[in-house]
Amino acid sequence: AAGVIQSPRHLIKEKRETATLKCYPIPRHDTVYWYQQGPGQDPQFLISFYEKMQSDKGSIPDRFSAQQFSDYHSELNMSSLELGDSALYFCASSSFPGENTGELFFGEGSRLTVL
Amino acid sequence: GDSVTQMEGPVTLSEEAFLTINCTYTATGYPSLFWYVQYPGEGLQLLLKATKADDKGSNKGFEATYRKETTSFHLEKGSVQVSDSAVYFCALSPPGANSKLTFGKGITLSVRP
Repeated sequence: AAGVIQSPRHLIKEKRETATLKCYPIPRHDTVYWYQQGPGQDPQFLISFYEKMQSDKGSIPDRFSAQQFSDYHSELNMSSLELGDSALYFCASSSFPGENTGELFFGEGSRLTVL
Repeated sequence: GDSVTQMEGPVTLSEEAFLTINCTYTATGYPSLFWYVQYPGEGLQLLLKATKADDKGSNKGFEATYRKETTSFHLEKGSVQVSDSAVYFCALSPPGANSKLTFGKGITLSVRP
């Protein structure tokens, strides 16, 4: 079965550079979530989208932005990168945001290293 | 705010040993509770869930019971296997939210043959 696809899997950037992560949800899933997991930390919720509109916002820095496109894929744009942005970034998708099922389907993550 | 606390790790067990991983939570109302598992090199996968008090979630021999009185959701398995080696995350989703999850810090389980 198709899963959540994230790209790139690994990314190395210099401080103050820009990075873009992409997420392709499971077909027919209309909700996308972004999480950030620092070394030895639990995943922290960044932002989510439902039907191409932002549905919730967590601890996403102002330097980051995200959007969901007409084909439901999502991109997380990160500018003015800092060393502390080095983390594993997870994307997850689900089929309906209103049900409290919590059954998010996660991608394998994109590991960003800022040097 | 909502939070999830997991026992300190890592945990190393011999095959066929009994497993308990403690998880407690702080939340208003009646959240849904989950255990997610992350196998080496893979993404997070839902292991089991419980959506109301006294519910028991179970999957692949793992069980966890939603205890409102102790605000706990401890994960148990009677006989672990080497293939259970992974990182386990306890998580909650508040009622009425758009399924946003709050995770615990995760615990690494290593099972020796």
